[in-house]
Amino acid sequence: GAVVSQHPSRVICKSGTSVKIECRSLDFQATTMFWYRQFPKQSLMLMATSNEGSKATYEQGVEKDKFLINHASLTLSTLTVTSAHPEDSSFYICSAISRQVNYEQYFGPGTRLTVT
Amino acid sequence: EDKVVQSPLSLVVHEGDTVTLNCSYEVTNFRSLLWYKQEKKAPTFLFMLTSSGIEKKSGRLSSILDKKELFSILNITATQTGDSAVYLCAVLSGNTPLVFGKGTRLSVIA
Repeated sequence: GAVVSQHPSRVICKSGTSVKIECRSLDFQATTMFWYRQFPKQSLMLMATSNEGSKATYEQGVEKDKFLINHASLTLSTLTVTSAHPEDSSFYICSAISRQVNYEQYFGPGTRLTVT
Repeated sequence: EDKVVQSPLSLVVHEGDTVTLNCSYEVTNFRSLLWYKQEKKAPTFLFMLTSSGIEKKSGRLSSILDKKELFSILNITATQTGDSAVYLCAVLSGNTPLVFGKGTRLSVIA
């Protein structure tokens, strides 16, 4: 099956710093990648939709200047949490839709961000 | 607004029991409904349902979709402690990303 990787899997950073999370589709080309956020014991909340070569579409309430998304190629999207605060601590998950099989999303393993 | 509602929100059963998890939805331009199992990391795919009345089965898990009544069920028979997880239902409509329900937290005790 299709594989999506995320890096890093876990990161701890200090308040005020920026953190970049990478999402890669390893064996397929992803026309679209999604970024989700998950708080403890809650469901996944979509943050933004990232299309290769164009600007990301953010969901209502998500600050685009704080959560910078770059989908530079068909296999890589990055999420940068700028000027992180403790309330940004969360589990961030990306998913990708295959260009060949566009009805199924493949999830990355997630990145746990802790801001101290 | 697209909506996916799962019930119950949590469930505790004993090993060997059979459980049924429910998912109802209201979306425009429905394409498919998906079930995921989430343990400590990202969700893992279980089933994708597109047509009504056709049961999908994988081992002790099975699922069926009713497009007329707008719901799906996920059955797990002979539950094991390893089935303990959050089960997420999500609906794909048009070209939009998945809309997730809040999940059902299943705890299977020995």
